[in-house]
Parts: sequence; C-alpha cells; structure tokens
Amino acid sequence: KAGVTQTPRYLIKTRGQQVTLSCSPISGHRSVSWYQQTPGQGLQFLFEYFSETQRNKGNFPGRFSGRQFSNSRSEMNVSTLELGDSALYLCASSLTGEAAEAFFGQGTRLTVV
Amino acid sequence: AQKITQTQPGMFVQEKEAVTLDCTYDTSDPSYGLFWYKQPSSGEMIFLIYQGSYDQQNATEGRYSLNFQKARKSANLVISASQLGDSAMYFCAMREGEYNFNKFYFGSGTKLNVKP
Repeated sequence: KAGVTQTPRYLIKTRGQQVTLSCSPISGHRSVSWYQQTPGQGLQFLFEYFSETQRNKGNFPGRFSGRQFSNSRSEMNVSTLELGDSALYLCASSLTGEAAEAFFGQGTRLTVV
Repeated sequence: AQKITQTQPGMFVQEKEAVTLDCTYDTSDPSYGLFWYKQPSSGEMIFLIYQGSYDQQNATEGRYSLNFQKARKSANLVISASQLGDSAMYFCAMREGEYNFNKFYFGSGTKLNVKP
C-alpha cells in the first residue's frame, strides 16, 4: 500500500514568487491536512480538507491557500513568497480526520531566497 | 499556555536499554487524542502510538508504550530495548475535541540518540 506522497521534495524559489505543493494521500483516505515546520516555530497547522471542503484552518495569512480534488489529492499554494516561508511542509492523511492514525508524507522542503 | 510541552530537548540512551520521553499537555476539553511521532533526518513523520482520552488502558505498539496519567496530564512514551535505528526526533502531539480534524498541536520535540 503506497504511503502519502508529496511532490516536489525540494524547491527553491525567489522572494515574491508563488509556489504550489502537492500531496497525494493514502488510497481511500479522504482527510488531508497541511503543516509547516520551521526551527523557530516548530510544527504548525495550516489547514485540513475533507471531501474537497476546508474544515479547519490555522493562523496563517491569506497568502497560504489550499484545495482538494475529487480524488482526495490536495495542493497547497503560497503566493508572494517571503524569506520566512522557508520551511518543511508536511501533509498528513487519514480516513476521516477523527481517526486514531494520521500518516504523514516525507514533506516538501521549500527554500525562499 | 503551551498545549504540548516536551521538556527534554535531547536524550542519550544505551542500545538495548529502555528510555522514557516526557510529554505533558494542557486542555480543558474532555475529548482529546494524544499521539507520538518519530521524525528521522529524512523528514517524514512516522506514526508510533495513539491514546484516546477515554481509553482506560495504556496504549502499546510493539516496543512502544504510552504511559498515560490523565490526572497529571502526562503522556510519556516508553521505548523498550532501544535500537540504533531509534535515533531520531520524537514529537508528542494532541488533537483536542471531536471535530478538530487532524489539527494537531505538537511539542517542540526530543532528539533521541542511541549509543552502541
């Protein structure tokens, strides 16, 4: 059974650009959530999607957005990149969101220069 | 106030010995779930163990067990018979309430080093 797949694994962008990250959940999982991990702030929740609907959102500016497709794949977009957006972005999938297990992908390491 | 507190930034343990990683949590919600994840240097968060707030018994998964003390609001991870491959960052996390779907609060992590 394939795990959670995040693409790309590494990304270098210039300040002011925008970026789109992709997450393919485990087959059958309908909940996808996103996290930002930085050395200073640790792991912080961005948002969660279930059946193409955003159900929960963290405290991030509107430059951070996401969506989920009918096949449960999810994308996260960051517009007008800032140096502080450099981080490891992780997505997690689970059957419903209330399940006892949530499985994470390997993450996308974004560097903004 | 911090939702999840991990007070051990780094720990060393001898191979084959047991080790306890501390985690305390703060919530007023009667329904919550506690999770432990392992993060190797590759970055992937690996699920280890889960404890629900209404579970009467401590959770166990192979060499991992969760020492759940509800009154003290602690959820310590015990790794028995440490292996070299256990060297990694360990994160305690909480999901509170019934509808905070996969909205985890994470602690700052503990870096575990297993010595041969």
